[in-house]
Amino acid sequence: GEDVEQSLFLSVREGDSSVINCTYTDSSSTYLYWYKQEPGAGLQLLTYIFSNMDMKQDQRLTVLLNKKDKHLSLRIADTQTGDSAIYFCAESPLNYGGSQGNLIFGKGTKLSVKP
Amino acid sequence: KAGVTQTPRYLIKTRGQQVTLSCSPISGHRSVSWYQQTPGQGLQFLFEYFSETQRNKGNFPGRFSGRQFSNSRSEMNVSTLELGDSALYLCASSLGASDDEQFFGPGTRLTVL
Repeated sequence: GEDVEQSLFLSVREGDSSVINCTYTDSSSTYLYWYKQEPGAGLQLLTYIFSNMDMKQDQRLTVLLNKKDKHLSLRIADTQTGDSAIYFCAESPLNYGGSQGNLIFGKGTKLSVKP
Repeated sequence: KAGVTQTPRYLIKTRGQQVTLSCSPISGHRSVSWYQQTPGQGLQFLFEYFSETQRNKGNFPGRFSGRQFSNSRSEMNVSTLELGDSALYLCASSLGASDDEQFFGPGTRLTVL
């Protein structure tokens, strides 16, 4: 079945790099996403990667995809206290009509950044 | 432009009642998806509507239903509420094509007593 797994907690010091890992199961997923959720807020799309890519960099964010192992990671360089939030990995399995309305989310990784 | 709006933001109901939640997508967006977020189960997909038609459906009982209007606004309804329905209900909108980003609203926090 479809399942996305990620570790629940990560604690880093301000200025360090953070690496959040995720494994997914559906090889048909064409896009893989990273979302951020701050307390009391909805989800904010941080970045995404197409399944035929190995890496994508966007300012402080680097996404690595190992399609063979179905492993996705998000690296945040120079982590700041404002990066403290819950980070969700999500995959979008192929659906009728090719829509991406159905995202399968991991349980989220709570990132705590200590000053 | 305005983001996705959800009303109400907070709601308290008792078991057995029914509830209707509303979502207004970003102007021009035709797809609206609904998700349930709980501490135990995380984020789970409920259903997606596109041009007033349900395009995808998650694994939720028939007590959960939805609809979409011609202006793309969507409502979801939960009948015969159970304690386990207490959750944050998130709505997301997109243009509707396969590579379009979904934009999430702030959610409706439903508490069932």
